[in-house]
Amino acid sequence: AQSVTQLDSQVPVFEEAPVELRCNYSSSVSVYLFWYVQYPNQGLQLLLKYLSGSTLVKGINGFEAEFNKSQTSFHLRKPSVHISDTAEYFCAVNFGNEKLTFGTGTRLTIIP
Amino acid sequence: DAGITQSPRHKVTETGTPVTLRCHQTENHRYMYWYRQDPGHGLRLIHYSYGVKDTDKGEVSDGYSVSRSKTEDFLLTLESATSSQTSVYFCAISEVRASYEQYFGPGTRLTVT
Repeated sequence: AQSVTQLDSQVPVFEEAPVELRCNYSSSVSVYLFWYVQYPNQGLQLLLKYLSGSTLVKGINGFEAEFNKSQTSFHLRKPSVHISDTAEYFCAVNFGNEKLTFGTGTRLTIIP
Repeated sequence: DAGITQSPRHKVTETGTPVTLRCHQTENHRYMYWYRQDPGHGLRLIHYSYGVKDTDKGEVSDGYSVSRSKTEDFLLTLESATSSQTSVYFCAISEVRASYEQYFGPGTRLTVT
């Protein structure tokens, strides 16, 4: 079955430290990959996406992610986090149809 | 921001009553989706639509029905609400030409007492 795994449900990070949020998926087909962010009491907004081409993609708010086909991963990174990055982050994968499959989310908490 | 609105934004209802949530878009996107969000489960697809009067089930469709009589509106109905349907419901839209990137509405918080 096609699935998306975010192993870390919560990640605490000190302000100005780097962070990596992990996402793995299970599929051998070509995929489209997305990261969404959800701030408290809001809807989801797109952070970045990988459709094709360069495996390193840059998104909003200084985030970037790298697609690794051999490891079926799409980890999200930021070199220096800010208090305003406190949110829940969702990885989503399109497995070649009209739907997205979402991971269970990672809650990022920034410690002052 | 994509033009997606959801109504109501908050609702409290009693067990056994019918409830209808509305999603309205102004983007003329072909695909519309209903998700529920619960702690520890992320977003789970309830139903989706690929055109007017064309709908299909998602992974958690039991107890829910949908209708789409116009491109811009997608309704989610709980025929007889249960406490297990207490959740936050999100609507989303997408298009083929956007590689199915989804745009989300603000959500509806539903409490079933």
